[in-house]
Amino acid sequence: GENVEQHPSTLSVQEGDSAVIKCTYSDSASNYFPWYKQELGKRPQLIIDIRSNVGEKKDQRIAVTLNKTAKHFSLHITETQPEDSAVYFCAASYGNMLTFGGGTRLMVKP
Amino acid sequence: DTEVTQTPKHLVMGMTNKKSLKCEQHMGHRAMYWYKQKAKKPPELMFVYSYEKLSINESVPSRFSPECPNSSLLNLHLHALQPEDSALYLCASSQEGLNYGYTFGSGTRLTVV
Repeated sequence: GENVEQHPSTLSVQEGDSAVIKCTYSDSASNYFPWYKQELGKRPQLIIDIRSNVGEKKDQRIAVTLNKTAKHFSLHITETQPEDSAVYFCAASYGNMLTFGGGTRLMVKP
Repeated sequence: DTEVTQTPKHLVMGMTNKKSLKCEQHMGHRAMYWYKQKAKKPPELMFVYSYEKLSINESVPSRFSPECPNSSLLNLHLHALQPEDSALYLCASSQEGLNYGYTFGSGTRLTVV
């Protein structure tokens, strides 16, 4: 089955700095890669996703890149704000199976 | 309606109790999921329903019994749970084929005493 590894497990940045979270996946058949943000005590919320036929996608301060050959994808957050503090999960899927990475706790210090 | 609604939000049950978790969506999604999430861990897949049929069971103990009465509803029946089953139980839905992202419900925080 699919295995997704996510790094780092914790990330602390100063407000205004950029944050980068990286994930690798094992199953070359995976073709959809969403990112979720989960605030304490709340549900995971989809913040951006990318499909295997695209190399990069951007939505305001958030961007995701995908390298299919190397089987890794990354989340980039620019101009971080305190409200970006949360746990971020990457995931990979083929069909109905969505496998999550271990999560990254992002802390943005004002 | 772009939400997945889960009830109850909190549940405390004894090890001999029988209870049910409920999940409802009206987005026309034909795939529905149950996930279990322990503190500081990612969600773990339990069950997948596709067009109201169970398509994936991730070797979940029989004390968890899923049910999909119709395309909008998903239940999780609980019986003889153990304290280690205490967790956040998340329901999610998606368009069939998945590549459209899950919508998660707010979850049921379950405590087994």
